[in-house]
Amino acid sequence: IAGITQAPTSQILAAGRRMTLRCTQDMRHNAMYWYRQDLGLGLRLIHYSNTAGTTGKGEVPDGYSVSRANTDDFPLTLASAVPSQTSVYFCASSESGEAGYTFGSGTRLTVV
Amino acid sequence: GQNIDQPTEMTATEGAIVQINCTYQTSGFNGLFWYQQHAGEAPTFLSYNVLDGLEEKGRFSSFLSRSKGYSYLLLKELQMKDSASYLCAVLDSNYQLIWGAGTKLIIKP
Repeated sequence: IAGITQAPTSQILAAGRRMTLRCTQDMRHNAMYWYRQDLGLGLRLIHYSNTAGTTGKGEVPDGYSVSRANTDDFPLTLASAVPSQTSVYFCASSESGEAGYTFGSGTRLTVV
Repeated sequence: GQNIDQPTEMTATEGAIVQINCTYQTSGFNGLFWYQQHAGEAPTFLSYNVLDGLEEKGRFSSFLSRSKGYSYLLLKELQMKDSASYLCAVLDSNYQLIWGAGTKLIIKP
């Protein structure tokens, strides 16, 4: 692993199903983030974690949950998927705010 | 509220120079980033400005004026591979990145 790994790369999901998007980093960054990116809207923060054991809500948290049991992993769960959650999801991490963010390659999710 | 504005789309010619502007209104300021994002890929870091002035890095330069809430990204000697979206983002008082919607740059031969 080098950097941030997201899985799956893409997924088609039936509405109402539960889904967990995985994110793992090997840089020992304290802060991690989940974004969704939709055409014309840019990156919108879903949830974040400043350090292992803590999480916070971003701009669009409804319908999503996260956990941060350790430094490396930051999974994002959709409890009951809806079509409006169709999007590209990016996980990111940061050593410090000023260092900028490193992004994973993204998960393209389609809810039908 | 917090707001970052940048043009939706720009077109330029291979070999030319293009300037992408970004204006921002945020709660606090701890620096401004520019990221490049090719279609279907993740954003990648281009530049970081926290003090006023111009930062040059090869063909790319980034300028910041904190008093005006303004930045630009200057791309010189444009190449076809520069066709991408360019994202402006500001680090606010909580050290969270606030993102603009991005500027899609189209390079024509």
